[in-house]
Amino acid sequence: QKEVEQNSGPLSVPEGAIASLNCTYSDRGSQSFFWYRQYSGKSPELIMFIYSNGDKEDGRFTAQLNKASQYVSLLIRDSQPSDSATYLCAVKGGSARQLTFGSGTQLTVLP
Amino acid sequence: EPEVTQTPSHQVTQMGQEVILRCVPISNHLYFYWYRQILGQKVEFLVSFYNNEISEKSEIFDDQFSVERPDGSNFTLKIRSTKLEDSAMYFCASSEGTFQPQHFGDGTRLSIL
Repeated sequence: QKEVEQNSGPLSVPEGAIASLNCTYSDRGSQSFFWYRQYSGKSPELIMFIYSNGDKEDGRFTAQLNKASQYVSLLIRDSQPSDSATYLCAVKGGSARQLTFGSGTQLTVLP
Repeated sequence: EPEVTQTPSHQVTQMGQEVILRCVPISNHLYFYWYRQILGQKVEFLVSFYNNEISEKSEIFDDQFSVERPDGSNFTLKIRSTKLEDSAMYFCASSEGTFQPQHFGDGTRLSIL
């Protein structure tokens, strides 16, 4: 059974701070890693994706992947109240088409 | 920016009835997916579809469910003999390739009474 684990939170950070969201996965064959943002009652919105070990930056967002530790993280710099949402980690195995989602971390950015 | 569109946004149906949820994937995407999310729970994979056939399905996707691409643009999910536990948000997604990111539609909220 492939598992993706996230701290459910809630995680609260002050506006302007760095928010750090973490995710671990059980399937060593996983090759593609995605972060989605989901506002309450809305659909998942793609934020970042990463395929190789290391860091990948896009604006205020940085995704970090460590396949040896089966760990992927998302850093949000200069957090804004509009970043308040649930962040979903999703993982895809080598031959699989499906995404396996974690339960999400609820982030609140306090003004 | 191209997006996945889903209709209807909300469907209310009596238990035992059949429902069809519709999706228009992004036009140059070749891979299509259905996921569902029961209130307060994880997003769960149902089925993937490529080249006019199912390429992968989960244990949830039993004989009650079917998918179809009736024309060049639409992708549908049919649920027969609906049950109370089928109440959920159903998301359609599409991707350019098997390793490319999946983009989700706004979802259909299905309520079974």
